[in-house]
Formats: sequence, C-alpha cells, structure tokens
Amino acid sequence: DTGVSQDPRHKITKRGQNVTFRCDPISEHNRLYWYRQTLGQGPEFLTYFQNEAQLEKSRLLSDRFSAERPKGSFSTLEIQRTEQGDSAMYLCASSLVGDAEAFFGQGTRLTVV
Amino acid sequence: GIQVEQSPPDLILQEGANSTLRCNFSDSVNNLQWFHQNPWGQLINLFYIPSGTKQNGRLSATTVATERYSLLYISSSQTTDSGVYFCAGGYGNKLVFGAGTILRVKS
Repeated sequence: DTGVSQDPRHKITKRGQNVTFRCDPISEHNRLYWYRQTLGQGPEFLTYFQNEAQLEKSRLLSDRFSAERPKGSFSTLEIQRTEQGDSAMYLCASSLVGDAEAFFGQGTRLTVV
Repeated sequence: GIQVEQSPPDLILQEGANSTLRCNFSDSVNNLQWFHQNPWGQLINLFYIPSGTKQNGRLSATTVATERYSLLYISSSQTTDSGVYFCAGGYGNKLVFGAGTILRVKS
C-alpha cells in the first residue's frame, strides 16, 4: 500500500476560477477526511466521509465548497469561484474506523492570485 | 469546542540535547496522535497514543488521559528532527490540532 495520495501537489489559480482536488485513501479505509491548513496554524477539519456518505461538514466549508466520495473510494474536493482567502494547504486523511489512527496525504497547496 | 494547547511554541536546541513537548486538552478526547510535519507539508505519524507510554527509537510519548495531557520526548536530538510537531486529539468524528511546536536543532 502506498498510503494516502493527493493530486495535484500544487495548484495556482486565478481568483474566480473553480478548482478540484483528488484524494485516494488507503484502500481498506472506510473513513476519509479533508482538512485545511493555513500558514502558521494547525490543520482544521472540513468534512468527513464514512464510505460514500458525507456525515459531517464544518462551518468552515462554505457553499462554494463541495466534496464527494463516489463508491466509497477516492474523494474530490471542489472549490467554486475561488477567493484569495482560499489559499491554503488542503490535506486528506483516512482511517479504518472512527477512532483509529489517521494517515495523511502529502497535501495540495492552493495559491489563489 | 475543544481547545488544544501546545507548548512551547518554539524551541531551539543544540544537537544532542533532549526536549519535551507538551499538549494540553480542554476536554476529554477519544484518541491522540503526534505528527511531524516535513518541509513539504506532509504530516508524518509519530505516535497513536490514547493513553500510556510508547517508545520508538529516540522518541517516546506519554498520554495521561485522565489529566488531559500528552508529552512527546525527543532524546539526543539531531538536525533532521527539525520541523513542526503537532498533537491532535480525536473529538467527535474528527481530529482537533494544536498550533504546533516549531523545533530547530542546530549542529
């Protein structure tokens, strides 16, 4: 197993454009999480999936953000009409069950210009 | 919501020195993890330690769940230990992170 994989690693986009990130979790893991990390801060929870069901969304996840996990495998996070404040590192994690150890991907660093 | 406080925020060590990083929680957590964030931003798992003590080489960790804190010990530090260390507690269905400790080890 190669661990949690995220794509792309870096994304530069113009304000107002839409972007989509992909996360491939560890294959047998049921839980998949998205976090956002801004400079000098710890990661903050955005949302999580149990298999294909999105069960919790943070208030940080505005209407411009949408996440999916079709078929309970990979997940995508889309940001519509990007703003400069969306610039951050977007981290994906997976775990076998709820309280089990979580493993993180390399992250996608988004810069909105 | 739960607050996670890490101390110290910054730490500068001479190579070979020992250090202790602390993580305090304002409420009980379901589990606890320590991570090292590498220069490229990836969180590397150090310990999954809801309670008790674990050791892995020069690193060890202790969590006292009843008193809502955890400690990470780094012995005989090396320059490669430099970076940001995060603790995170499982609260509800998510991990809640502290702000991190920036460790710099000088040769």
